[in-house]
This record gives sequence, C-alpha cells and structure tokens, in this order.
Amino acid sequence: GENVEQHPSTLSVQEGDSAVIKCTYSDSASNYFPWYKQELGKRPQLIIDIRSNVGEKKDQRIAVTLNKTAKHFSLHITETQPEDSAVYFCAASKRDTGRRALTFGSGTRLQVQP
Amino acid sequence: DAGITQSPRYKITETGRQVTLMCHQTWSHSYMFWYRQDLGHGLRLIYYSAAADITDKGEVPDGYVVSRSKTENFPLTLESATRSQTSVYFCASSETAGRAGANVLTFGAGSRLTVL
Repeated sequence: GENVEQHPSTLSVQEGDSAVIKCTYSDSASNYFPWYKQELGKRPQLIIDIRSNVGEKKDQRIAVTLNKTAKHFSLHITETQPEDSAVYFCAASKRDTGRRALTFGSGTRLQVQP
Repeated sequence: DAGITQSPRYKITETGRQVTLMCHQTWSHSYMFWYRQDLGHGLRLIYYSAAADITDKGEVPDGYVVSRSKTENFPLTLESATRSQTSVYFCASSETAGRAGANVLTFGAGSRLTVL
C-alpha cells in the first residue's frame, strides 16, 4: 500500500517568514495530493490540493508543488501569520478510483511566533 | 460542517467492553471513512465504505467492525476494547466520483475514546 512520509514533525517560524513542509510518497499510481490543516481541538480541513498532471498550484499565501519523478510534494506558506499555527497533514490517493481513501503523513506542527 | 456528525464526542470505557461510535452524514455522499488519530502517527485509515453494504479494510482494521446498512450512517464498533484503542476517531465522507468535490474528505468533529 501507499506510504507517505512527512518532514519536519515540528516547525517554528517568525511571523512574516515562509514555511515549507515536505512529503514523499511510495506508490507511483497515486495521483491526488491534498493538504489538510488541523487547528487545536478541531477537525482536519482541506486547504489546498494538487493533481498529478499539475506541477504547482497557488492559492493566495499557500502553494503546493509536485515532483512526480521524485515522488515528493511540498507545501509552501508565505508571509506566515499567527493564525497559520496548526498541524498540517499531507496525503496521497488514487483519485476517482475505488481505492480513493487518503493515506496521510504523520503531520507537521507549525508554530508562528508573533 | 453540520452535515456530518459523530457521537458520542467523548467516551470513557473499560478494557473488554464493546463500544460503538456513530457517524451520520446528510449529504448522501457515497464514500465514508473511519480514521484514528494518534500522536506521531497522523491519521490512519481503519475502514472505509464506497456505498451502502460495501465496506473495505484500511491500514489498521484489527479489533474494529463496521457496517453500512444505510448510506447516511457508518457506525464503528470496538467489539472488545483495548487500551491501545485509546485514540481520537474521525469519521469522514466524500462525494461520488465524477461529481464536484469528489475525493475531498469532509471530517466530523471527532470522538475521543479512552479505554481504561
């Protein structure tokens, strides 16, 4: 089955700095890579996703890049703000197939220092 | 999202007892999932269901049983709870393939289970 590894496990940045979280996946058939944000005591929520036919996707201060050859993808957050503090999970799946369940990474706790 | 609800939100039980966690969604999503969240392990898939009466094992199914007699409900049962099953359990659902939002998981608020 799919295996997703995520690094770092914790990340502390100063407000205004950029943050980068990296993930690798093992199954070359995976074609869908979402990122979820989980605030303390809350449920995970989708913040951005990318399909395997796209190399980069941006949404305001967040962006995701995908390198299919190397089987890794990354989340980039620019101009970080205290409200970005949360746990971020990457995930992978085979989109639009019967085996579409997401395999998650172990999470990155991001702390943005004011 | 009020469309997917879990109950109970908090549960304390003893080793060996049977526990059922309920999950109900109002969107008629075809796919439903159960994940457990433990520190250092992220979210691990226990079971999922593609439609009523169709279920499949995930990464960590041992000790759990699921059923899906109706599209909107997907209960998770721990037949004989163990301390290692102390965790936060999240139910999620997603839309049918081909529809807008397919593949996006929407999570319930979670059920925190403590097994003593």
